[in-house]
Amino acid sequence: QKEVEQNSGPLSVPEGAIASLNCTYSDRGSQSFFWYRQYSGKSPELIMSIYSNGDKEDGRFTAQLNKASQYVSLLIRDSQPSDSATYLCAVTSGSGYSTLTFGKGTMLLVSP
Amino acid sequence: KAGVTQTPRYLIKTRGQQVTLSCSPISGHRSVSWYQQTPGQGLQFLFEYFSETQRNKGNFPGRFSGRQFSNSRSEMNVSTLELGDSALYLCASSPGTGSGELFFGEGSRLTVL
Repeated sequence: QKEVEQNSGPLSVPEGAIASLNCTYSDRGSQSFFWYRQYSGKSPELIMSIYSNGDKEDGRFTAQLNKASQYVSLLIRDSQPSDSATYLCAVTSGSGYSTLTFGKGTMLLVSP
Repeated sequence: KAGVTQTPRYLIKTRGQQVTLSCSPISGHRSVSWYQQTPGQGLQFLFEYFSETQRNKGNFPGRFSGRQFSNSRSEMNVSTLELGDSALYLCASSPGTGSGELFFGEGSRLTVL
């Protein structure tokens, strides 16, 4: 059973702080890793993808991947109240399919 | 570029009925995936269609089925509805290259009474 684990939160941070979201996965064959953001009442939207070990930065977001530890993280710098949402970690086996296994998400609350 | 369109957005059914949900992917995308989202289980994969063929299926009973048409539009059907089928059903579109980068529609919220 492929599993993706996330702390459900909520993770509360003040505006301007760094929010750190973590995710572990069970399938060592996982190839691709994603972070989706889901606002309340909305559908998930892709914010970051990472495919190799190390860091990947995109604006205020940095994704980190450590395949040996089966660990993925998302850092959000200079957090804004508009970042308040549920962040979903997702992985795919790289089998050629677009099938994702999602974690249940971490709720992030950024207070002004 | 138009996004993923799902219809209907909301629907209420009673146990034992069946329901059909529709999804129009982003133009040019050949893969359509369906996910069920519930508060308890989160997002769970139902199936993926690519070029009218189901190429992957999740661990759901046979009451859940789907299909894809030649224009890439997809439908999913749930027969003999149960209370536990109440959920948000999300359709996701992708080019089909297996990258995992999905573009979700707004979802169809099904309530079974």
